[in-house]
Amino acid sequence: DQQVKQNSPSLSVQEGRISILNCDYTNSMFDYFLWYKKYPAEGPTFLISISSIKDKNEDGRFTVFLNKSAKHLSLHIVPSQPGDSAVYFCAARAAYSGAGSYQLTFGKGTKLSVIP
Amino acid sequence: DGGITQSPKYLFRKEGQNVTLSCEQNLNHDAMYWYRQDPGQGLRLIYYSQIVNDFQKGDIAEGYSVSREKKESFPLTVTSAQKNPTAFYLCASSIGGRDLTNYGYTFGSGTRLTVV
Repeated sequence: DQQVKQNSPSLSVQEGRISILNCDYTNSMFDYFLWYKKYPAEGPTFLISISSIKDKNEDGRFTVFLNKSAKHLSLHIVPSQPGDSAVYFCAARAAYSGAGSYQLTFGKGTKLSVIP
Repeated sequence: DGGITQSPKYLFRKEGQNVTLSCEQNLNHDAMYWYRQDPGQGLRLIYYSQIVNDFQKGDIAEGYSVSREKKESFPLTVTSAQKNPTAFYLCASSIGGRDLTNYGYTFGSGTRLTVV
């Protein structure tokens, strides 16, 4: 059962335009969400995060929006640059304590291609 | 500089042979993780360890084994029992407990294992 879903395997955007990557989750106990960026043959690197007590977090060109009622978050990249071309993973942490409390649950990723 | 190091970057194995992937971190992180990435599958958790001398199975632990004798090291052995071992393997670490700070996990650069 996939608790974090990234329904778009790929996305193509023109350079300078906005990229919007979406992520849906099913577990209402998730309280912290992160986005990671991954280039081929490299490990993912942290991009931006948001706590469930907020609905928006901004860092330069990157903004994450959280809609708790819809269990949906999105990553906006404005303006998109060719160097943004990578796979983006959405991840979530559960608030409950227990065997899984130390883990992040990842989506399957969305491959973003920014076309010059 | 602190970080997490995986070696080797590329590894070839003959069918029926065991192989061990190295993961070392000098971040003083308590928790360490092993993930496997396959095309279209995202990141799947193999094993994780929250503290020295303790580790837990993840979602796809069959055919793999780990040890955590030192805080800094979390080697993964891919055994001959793993039916489809060719994949990209990622090691990660985190401070552990409930505090993921802003970035959650720190990932290594990965090991590409190919069975020949």
